[in-house]
Amino acid sequence: DTAVSQTPKYLVTQMGNDKSIKCEQNLGHDTMYWYKQDSKKFLKIMFSYNNKELIINETVPNRFSPKSPDKAHLNLHINSLELGDSAVYFCASSQPTGETQYFGPGTRLLVL
Amino acid sequence: DAKTTQPPSMDCAEGRAANLPCNHSTISGNEYVYWYRQIHSQGPQYIIHGLKNNETNEMASLIITEDRKSSTLILPHATLRDTAVYYCIVLTGTYKYIFGTGTRLKVLA
Repeated sequence: DTAVSQTPKYLVTQMGNDKSIKCEQNLGHDTMYWYKQDSKKFLKIMFSYNNKELIINETVPNRFSPKSPDKAHLNLHINSLELGDSAVYFCASSQPTGETQYFGPGTRLLVL
Repeated sequence: DAKTTQPPSMDCAEGRAANLPCNHSTISGNEYVYWYRQIHSQGPQYIIHGLKNNETNEMASLIITEDRKSSTLILPHATLRDTAVYYCIVLTGTYKYIFGTGTRLKVLA
């Protein structure tokens, strides 16, 4: 069973479109995260939710909006996609906040 | 900014121990050191973490110096599948992982 799963695995889209990436964890964790890894391979945190509440919100354009319908899910919606949004997006979860994080396989987003 | 510095790359012969150093000279007393690795473009994989004492698990050993300003991750018998980027992270009070550039370990046959 996959502990942290993401869909889709690959996403190719045009500039200006709106897209969503879904993340689910079956570990029973309270805290979930979104990270972005750019073309230079720098991995940077974007958001963190604990029990469906936003606790970390890094300097991310407001075109990015995370949504947590329940503790097991944290989705990432991106409006008006730009070329610079092309990256690999990783979801992660931990229990409790700050402890060992378990990462998903990533979603490779390419904006054309 | 990452609180750790690591060599950009290292090579290790298959079957030998791989010793990956990390400097974290500004670490505070209650901050943990975590190690993760990323194989190709997969999601980062947890390896081990520690506070003061040396730690060992089925994957690796973590040696933390007495002053806690540096640590070494040891993979006792490196295999080709251990080729990856290894990240040393200091977990700060804000509970954020701040990834540095990591060490690209290449295990040679």
